[in-house]
Amino acid sequence: EILMTQSPATLSVSPGDRVTLSCRASQSVGTSVAWYQQKPGQPPRLLIHGSSIRATGVPARFGGSGSATQFTLTINNLQSEDFALYYCQQYNDWMTFGQGTKVEVK
Amino acid sequence: QLQLKESGPGLVKPSETLSLVCSVSGASINDYYWSWVRQFPGKTLEWIAYMHHSGGADYNPSLRSRVTMSLDASRNEFSLKLTSVTAADTAVYYCARGMVTGHYWGPGTLVSVPS
Repeated sequence: EILMTQSPATLSVSPGDRVTLSCRASQSVGTSVAWYQQKPGQPPRLLIHGSSIRATGVPARFGGSGSATQFTLTINNLQSEDFALYYCQQYNDWMTFGQGTKVEVK
Repeated sequence: QLQLKESGPGLVKPSETLSLVCSVSGASINDYYWSWVRQFPGKTLEWIAYMHHSGGADYNPSLRSRVTMSLDASRNEFSLKLTSVTAADTAVYYCARGMVTGHYWGPGTLVSVPS
């Protein structure tokens, strides 16, 4: 099973900040990585797939990058509605998720 | 507008079979892949299965011996059966549109299995 390790576990930031979330795969997954946002009481929302392709309706301030084993989700000019839990997921070999990074108010 | 909604018992006894249905509106079930994903109380997510009406399907290797997914085009819904449940199967179960990524999700349904 491919393990996805996210860092940090918690990120304390302020509105307007530029935020970088990291995800490392235990083996190469090419660009078969997606990112999700989850708010309390809601299902995950797909933000990015194919490592860098924004899903329909996702604001341009969300960007994804990376390949092989290192991936990054960047949020520019963080908005109040962006405080949430973020997961990375690989789908190169079945589908597995990272443990999540919580973006909280500083 | 695509909408998905999970339904099923919120409490299942140990060793019994968990059965859930996902009702789909706003799209034909024949047009996409569909999946089941669960989220454990500690927030870990686990992909359970995916299926297409053409017969393409696959199950999480760790659950393959206990899981069955099926589609009912006449009702525009799909279902999940998980046999021999234990407390470790307690989770919020989501249905989603997509094979390897979830583009649309249902609100989820909590299924508890007492220990």
